[in-house]
Amino acid sequence: SQQGEEDPQALSIQEGENATMNCSYKTSINNLQWYRQNSGRGLVHLILIRSNEREKHSGRLRVTLDTSKKSSSLLITASRAADTASYFCATDQGAQKLVFGQGTRLTINP
Amino acid sequence: DAGVIQSPRHEVTEMGQEVTLRCKPISGHDYLFWYRQTMMRGLELLIYFNNNVPIDDSGMPEDRFSAKMPNASFSTLKIQPSEPRDSAVYFCASSSSRDRVSRRETQYFGPGTRLLVL
Repeated sequence: SQQGEEDPQALSIQEGENATMNCSYKTSINNLQWYRQNSGRGLVHLILIRSNEREKHSGRLRVTLDTSKKSSSLLITASRAADTASYFCATDQGAQKLVFGQGTRLTINP
Repeated sequence: DAGVIQSPRHEVTEMGQEVTLRCKPISGHDYLFWYRQTMMRGLELLIYFNNNVPIDDSGMPEDRFSAKMPNASFSTLKIQPSEPRDSAVYFCASSSSRDRVSRRETQYFGPGTRLLVL
C-alpha cells in the first residue's frame, strides 16, 4: 500500500494563482520529498525536507512538514502554464527506500 | 551529464514473450532503483542495488521478474514470460551517497519504458 496520500487528486487553477497540495503519511520518516512528473516523462526531484525541519523554500515552492500530524504541504506561488504536471510526495523511511503517493494532477489554465 | 538512460522507450510484445528493459545510471552514482508505474497501483519500487549488489527485491511481483546489475553503468530488468498485467511504465532511477547536498536521498529518474503486453 502507498505510504503517502496526496490531496486533492486533481487541481485546476488559473495562471497566476497559488496551488496547494497536501500529503499525509503513516509511519515515522527521515525526510519527505516532492517530485514533479510531466506527461510521458520521468519524475524530477523538486525539494526535500528533513524530519527536523518545519518549512523550506525553493524559488516559488514552499514546503511545510508537520511530523505530529504526519502531513506535508507543497505550495506553488504565482503558478504558470509550465507548472502543469503531476506532483508526488515520497517518504524516506530509511534503507534508501522512497515510498511514493498516488500524486496530485495539477492543471494551470491560461 | 546525459542523465539516466533507459531503453527501449516503448515496447509492445505478446503474452509469453521475454522482455528485457535496460538502464544506464548517471556516472558515479552508486544506487540504482527499478520502479513500475500504473494507474491502479501508482509508483512501486521493485528492486534496488547498491554498488551493483541487490539490496531489497521485496517489491518484485513474482519469479517472472528478475533484475541484474553486472557493472556500475548497466542494469537490466527482465520479465519472462510476460503477461498483459505487466503492462506499465517502468522507471529506472539512480542516486549517489556522495552527493554533498542531499546525500543519497535524491533520486534521478530516467524517461521510462512504456511496456504493453498484448
